[in-house]
Amino acid sequence: DARVTQTPRHKVTEMGQEVTMRCQPILGHNTVFWYRQTMMQGLELLAYFRNRAPLDDSGMPKDRFSAEMPDATLATLKIQPSEPRDSAVYFCASGIVDTQYFGPGTRLTVL
Amino acid sequence: TQLLEQSPQFLSIQEGENLTVYCNSSSVFSSLQWYRQEPGEGPVLLVTVVTGGEVKKLKRLTFQFGDARKDSSLHITAAQPGDTGLYLCAGGSNYQLIWGAGTKLIIKP
Repeated sequence: DARVTQTPRHKVTEMGQEVTMRCQPILGHNTVFWYRQTMMQGLELLAYFRNRAPLDDSGMPKDRFSAEMPDATLATLKIQPSEPRDSAVYFCASGIVDTQYFGPGTRLTVL
Repeated sequence: TQLLEQSPQFLSIQEGENLTVYCNSSSVFSSLQWYRQEPGEGPVLLVTVVTGGEVKKLKRLTFQFGDARKDSSLHITAAQPGDTGLYLCAGGSNYQLIWGAGTKLIIKP
């Protein structure tokens, strides 16, 4: 049963620290998405890749967030420096055409 | 800007009752998907509808895509406590999904 995996599942860090979240998409899926979910804003698209190429990162604060896909089995989302307002659950999803399959998320708390 | 409006935002009903959740837009989508999310987990795909007027059934859940492919509904018959969760609709557009804000559903035993 193929699944999207994300690490870590939980991260608590202090303001100003670097945070890296990792995602392993489902093999064969050609699109990868990073989302952020909060109670107030719901599900927000941060960035997405197709065939490993970044297509849209307009949802990300460019000065502190970066997303990369070094190979087909790994996508990363980095926050440097982190701020308390970044506290949220970050989801990675992979898919084909319009259908997306989500990982379990990384719950980030920035103190 | 494409938007999907979901209603109601919150619904709490007794076990055994029926309910309908709506997802509306002024935009046309290539597909419409429904996801359910439980606490601590990511959204899980329930169904994808792609043809205007299409109806799909998943046990007690019935999904309908509007004829013009701008709206959709999810109907649950005889709701059970296991149906509790956040229901999200999402419209497919150019390899991306446009998301509704979700309907938080609570089914009381």
